Amino acid sequence: QVQLQESGPGLVKPSETLSLTCIVSGYSISSGYYWGWIRQPPGKGLEWIGSIHHSGSTYYNPSLKSRVTISVDTSKNQFSLKLSSVTAADTAVYYCAREQQLGENYYYYMDVWGRGTTVTVSS
Amino acid sequence: EIVLTQSPGTLSLSPGERATLSCRASQSISNYLAWYQQKPGQAPRLLIYDASNRATGIPARFSGSGSGTDFTLTISSLEPEDFAVYYCQQRSTWPSITFGQGTRLEIK
Repeated sequence: QVQLQESGPGLVKPSETLSLTCIVSGYSISSGYYWGWIRQPPGKGLEWIGSIHHSGSTYYNPSLKSRVTISVDTSKNQFSLKLSSVTAADTAVYYCAREQQLGENYYYYMDVWGRGTTVTVSS
Repeated sequence: EIVLTQSPGTLSLSPGERATLSCRASQSISNYLAWYQQKPGQAPRLLIYDASNRATGIPARFSGSGSGTDFTLTISSLEPEDFAVYYCQQRSTWPSITFGQGTRLEIK
């Protein structure tokens, strides 16, 4: 059974860098698929942050691209998110998810999610 | 950027009733659409992919339809555990992913 678990500081100061890790169990990242980060501000909807392929190729939300770095460590079976120059607007629950190819068109969908971790930006 | 607009914002129904949720795309996305269910304090759960295919373990009362710009999620007979927030999501313009703003399904 594939499981994802987010970890990282729950409190980050404004202007600093938010760093989170998603540990994957039950599946080897190096075997394939994309791995993504999604966030949800309090009381609001979902926002895609970016995704990384097991090979290391990355794709970012254009609205966050200048501040986001996603990396993968296949030896530890985990991938990470860094978001720089954070403000209060970055306060959210951050989720990691697996993006698997499903259906006859082999489109990618987020089929397994972590439970999420709350990050608050405050001094 | 493709914008997904969900309606209604809130839907109030009783258990046993039929629920119909709508998602409209600002331009054609073929059938590259998913539906997710999110309960309070939980991560989203994939319900439907490719607009009409149920994900593994999803009950048959959930069904999806549509293509192009107009999509529908139908719950044929509401169970108490179905009251939640539902999001649609597209990735037609690879690699960007966008979500709708959500529809809250509440008990009447």
